[in-house]
Amino acid sequence: DGGITQSPKYLFRKEGQNVTLSCEQNLNHDAMYWYRQDPGQGLRLIYYSQIVNDFQKGDIAEGYSVSREKKESFPLTVTSAQKNPTAFYLCATGQGDTGELFFGEGSRLTVL
Amino acid sequence: GQNIDQPTEMTATEGAIVQINCTYQTSGFNGLFWYQQHAGEAPTFLSYNVLDGLEEKGRFSSFLSRSKGYSYLLLKELQMKDSASYLCAVVDSNYQLIWGAGTKLIIKP
Repeated sequence: DGGITQSPKYLFRKEGQNVTLSCEQNLNHDAMYWYRQDPGQGLRLIYYSQIVNDFQKGDIAEGYSVSREKKESFPLTVTSAQKNPTAFYLCATGQGDTGELFFGEGSRLTVL
Repeated sequence: GQNIDQPTEMTATEGAIVQINCTYQTSGFNGLFWYQQHAGEAPTFLSYNVLDGLEEKGRFSSFLSRSKGYSYLLLKELQMKDSASYLCAVVDSNYQLIWGAGTKLIIKP
């Protein structure tokens, strides 16, 4: 099936540890995005990539890093520099004139 | 700054009609999306408006007035499965999506 796969779905981390969230897509979309979702707030853009080997910071990039070595993959690393990393993380892809996004199932990160 | 306002929560009765409003102030406008998101799941696309007027798709309709910076999502014949959050998002002049905080819709029998 065509789609976007995020893993893991749930992740627990101790303070001071880096963690990497995986996002893989087989929709052949050029653009990929990482959003963070907190209760009572809209989706906030962390990083996005329009093409392989290129990515841009979003509104809340501090404490996060990404890579885009393959069109299909856009992993997000949450570093120890991120002060409040507990959140629901959504990966999305986009293609076409309207800007419609297609979302993965999300990864819920909890820092203990 | 850019701002999108939606009510935080709404309650409606099964079988009824509900209208969820969204007002926006953004740097430019290149379209408006409505997404549905069930708790703990990914948002899914409902509608896209770029011109003024009403777009109807089954039980769901979406309206846009660009001059008023206003949109609404109309849900008819409400079903229990419609209990979810509804997210309004505007495409700004840089073709970036600006998201509202979402409206949690509770459907009661």
